[in-house]
Amino acid sequence: NAGVMQNPRHLVRRRGQEARLRCSPMKGHSHVYWYRQLPEEGLKFMVYLQKENIIDESGMPKERFSAEFPKEGPSILRIQQVVRGDSAAYFCASSPLADTQYFGPGTRLTVL
Amino acid sequence: KQEVTQIPAALSVPEGENLVLNCSFTDSAIYNLQWFRQDPGKGLTSLLLIQSSQREQTSGRLNASLDKSSGRSTLYIAASQPGDSATYLCAVGRGDDYKLSFGAGTTVTVRA
Repeated sequence: NAGVMQNPRHLVRRRGQEARLRCSPMKGHSHVYWYRQLPEEGLKFMVYLQKENIIDESGMPKERFSAEFPKEGPSILRIQQVVRGDSAAYFCASSPLADTQYFGPGTRLTVL
Repeated sequence: KQEVTQIPAALSVPEGENLVLNCSFTDSAIYNLQWFRQDPGKGLTSLLLIQSSQREQTSGRLNASLDKSSGRSTLYIAASQPGDSATYLCAVGRGDDYKLSFGAGTTVTVRA
């Protein structure tokens, strides 16, 4: 059983471009969580999704950020018009019904 | 709002010494608590998961205790090795949706 997969592992964007981060949960997991780790800070919760539903997006900035977890395919975290402050490591985690979250390797976004 | 604090922020010890890492949280109504390891530029590796009904968990040289009433958890690493050098993160899960609140981490250096 493959672990949580994230791609790309590293992403470089210029200011104003769009960033799309993908997360494929572990097989059989229907819960996905996105976290952001800013330099020298701890991980902060962004959004919690189940298939086709956003359950809790309380940690996600109101503008430029969106997330989805379609019926088929990976979960996508989309950042429009990126700014330098968006540079961070973005981690995805998945879980079955509840309990332990399994984390992916992260996507490191650098905004030039 | 759950606040998770880890003390100390950094720790340097000679090889063979036992490590004691502390984690405190403000809201005792937790579902579980996890300790993770993060190597530089890498993802998170789950070390130990303690359910709210448990007092401790052990895995090899690692032992984690949980005192819900006082809002504390301690991670003990016996007979430290240079390979234990990493950042250790404490994360607390809520009961309803299990999103994790992370501490900022303790960066450990074990000197050979």
